[in-house]
Amino acid sequence: GENVEQHPSTLSVQEGDSAVIKCTYSDSASNYFPWYKQELGKRPQLIIDIRSNVGEKKDQRIAVTLNKTAKHFSLHITETQPEDSAVYFCAATLAGGGADGLTFGKGTHLIIQP
Amino acid sequence: EAQVTQNPRYLITVTGKKLTVTCSQNMNHEYMSWYRQDPGLGLRQIYYSMNVEVTDKGDVPEGYKVSRKEKRNFPLILESPSPNQTSLYFCASSLFVQGIGEQFFGPGTRLTVL
Repeated sequence: GENVEQHPSTLSVQEGDSAVIKCTYSDSASNYFPWYKQELGKRPQLIIDIRSNVGEKKDQRIAVTLNKTAKHFSLHITETQPEDSAVYFCAATLAGGGADGLTFGKGTHLIIQP
Repeated sequence: EAQVTQNPRYLITVTGKKLTVTCSQNMNHEYMSWYRQDPGLGLRQIYYSMNVEVTDKGDVPEGYKVSRKEKRNFPLILESPSPNQTSLYFCASSLFVQGIGEQFFGPGTRLTVL
């Protein structure tokens, strides 16, 4: 099955700086890669996703890049703000074929320092 | 309001006492899934269902059962709970098969098994 590694487990950045979270996956057939944000005490929520037919996707201050050859994808957050503090999870799956669901990484605790 | 609901939200029980955690969604989603969240381990899939009467094991199915008799409901059953099943449980649903597209998570159920 799929295996997703996520780094770092904790990331502390100054407010206004950029943050980058990286994930690698093992199954070269995976073609759908979402990112979820979980604020303290709340449920995970989708913030951005990317399919394997594109290399980059942006939504305001967040972006995701995908390198299929190297089997890794990254979340980029620019101009970080206090409300960006949360745990972020990457995930991978094969969309449209096979029977497995989403495989999540172990999460990154992002801390925005004032 | 479109939502996923779980009950109970908090539960303390003893080893061996059968319990059921209910999950219901009102979005007519085909795909539903159960995850457990443990510190440092991220979100791990227990079981998932691609439609009524169709269920499949995720990464950590041991000690759990599920059923999908109706599209809206996907209960999680612990026949004989043990302390290692103490965890935070999330139910999720999605419009598309295999969870492609946004997964909507319930509020979570915090289970403690003594």
